[in-house]
Amino acid sequence: GENVEQHPSTLSVQEGDSAVIKCTYSDSASNYFPWYKQELGKRPQLIIDIRSNVGEKKDQRIAVTLNKTAKHFSLHITETQPEDSAVYFCAASPTNAGGTSYGKLTFGQGTILTVHP
Amino acid sequence: NAGVTQTPKFQVLKTGQSMTLQCAQDMNHNSMYWYRQDPGMGLRLIYYSASEGTTDKGEVPNGYNVSRLNKREFSLRLESAAPSQTSVYFCASKVSPNTEAFFGQGTRLTVV
Repeated sequence: GENVEQHPSTLSVQEGDSAVIKCTYSDSASNYFPWYKQELGKRPQLIIDIRSNVGEKKDQRIAVTLNKTAKHFSLHITETQPEDSAVYFCAASPTNAGGTSYGKLTFGQGTILTVHP
Repeated sequence: NAGVTQTPKFQVLKTGQSMTLQCAQDMNHNSMYWYRQDPGMGLRLIYYSASEGTTDKGEVPNGYNVSRLNKREFSLRLESAAPSQTSVYFCASKVSPNTEAFFGQGTRLTVV
């Protein structure tokens, strides 16, 4: 099955700095890669996603890059703010033997991002 | 429009007791999922229902059963709770495979 590794497990930055979180995946047939933000005691919420036919996607201060050959994707947050402090999860959508995903997600272990004012 | 609603929010069970976690979505989504979240392990898929009338095992199905009651509702049952099932459980739904998963607010379950 799919295996997603996420690094680093914790990341501490100063307000205004950039933050980068990296993930690798094992199933070359995975074709959908979302990133979720989870604040303490809350539900995960999608912040950005990318599909396998795209190499990069940007939404204001957040960007995601995908390298299908190397099977890794990264989240970039620029001009970080204290409200960006949360746990961030990457995920990949694995497929079954017939190539169907059914929308299942395999998550990375999470990165605790702390932005210091 | 409530999105995905889970009940209960908190539950304490004794080892061997049974319970059902309820999940309902009002977004007319086709697919529904149950995940568990443990510290340092991210979210892991327990069971999923790709469409009404179908269910299938995920990564960690042992000790659980599910029922897709109708298009809106997807329940998770623990027949004989064990301390290893202490976790936070999230239900999620999607309209189609490569789209956003919407999560419920979670159920914090403790088995003593």
